[in-house]
Amino acid sequence: GEDVEQSLFLSVREGDSSVINCTYTDSSSTYLYWYKQEPGAGLQLLTYIFSNMDMKQDQRLTVLLNKKDKHLSLRIADTQTGDSAIYFCAESRGSSASKIIFGSGTRLSIRP
Amino acid sequence: KAGVTQTPRYLIKTRGQQVTLSCSPISGHRSVSWYQQTPGQGLQFLFEYFSETQRNKGNFPGRFSGRQFSNSRSEMNVSTLELGDSALYLCASSWTGGTNTEAFFGQGTRLTVV
Repeated sequence: GEDVEQSLFLSVREGDSSVINCTYTDSSSTYLYWYKQEPGAGLQLLTYIFSNMDMKQDQRLTVLLNKKDKHLSLRIADTQTGDSAIYFCAESRGSSASKIIFGSGTRLSIRP
Repeated sequence: KAGVTQTPRYLIKTRGQQVTLSCSPISGHRSVSWYQQTPGQGLQFLFEYFSETQRNKGNFPGRFSGRQFSNSRSEMNVSTLELGDSALYLCASSWTGGTNTEAFFGQGTRLTVV
């Protein structure tokens, strides 16, 4: 199947860490991505991880991949109000990014 | 380096009409993919064009079609519009050479069908 699943909402306090989780079904996925969408805007690629990696860190972002459980997570350290957005987990197959399957998106809201 | 440009940004059409959306990829990119985003269905892959040929296709009816020109610019056409076609249509370009990993998205065209 092509399902990528993630929870719809997450609320965190400013300064705390946010963890957004995702599960996917296709074990042949080559690349897994996290995209960010702010209101009225297109999609911004935040980070990606190759399927043979377990972890990738990029400044405040940490991606963890558990290939056995087909589970992907995005941790945002020191969450700021500017992090408020919808975060999409996505996967692509093969060696190109030409066809991407997206999750439903997690709306992250920040409370003071 | 200019990003992915989609035109128009907003469009209002009447049921039964047809519409054409345009996407100019990043210079040098040869692959253009189209996605439909709706509140109910989320982001869904429509199709991908590479070197003027459709290379991948999603599960959309034949009313949705596209093409790509020799300069890699792509157009998407929807005929006999239905209310349910109201959506944000996003285009993404990628180089698609070897181990390409990144698709760059445009701002989208918001289509409203009334």
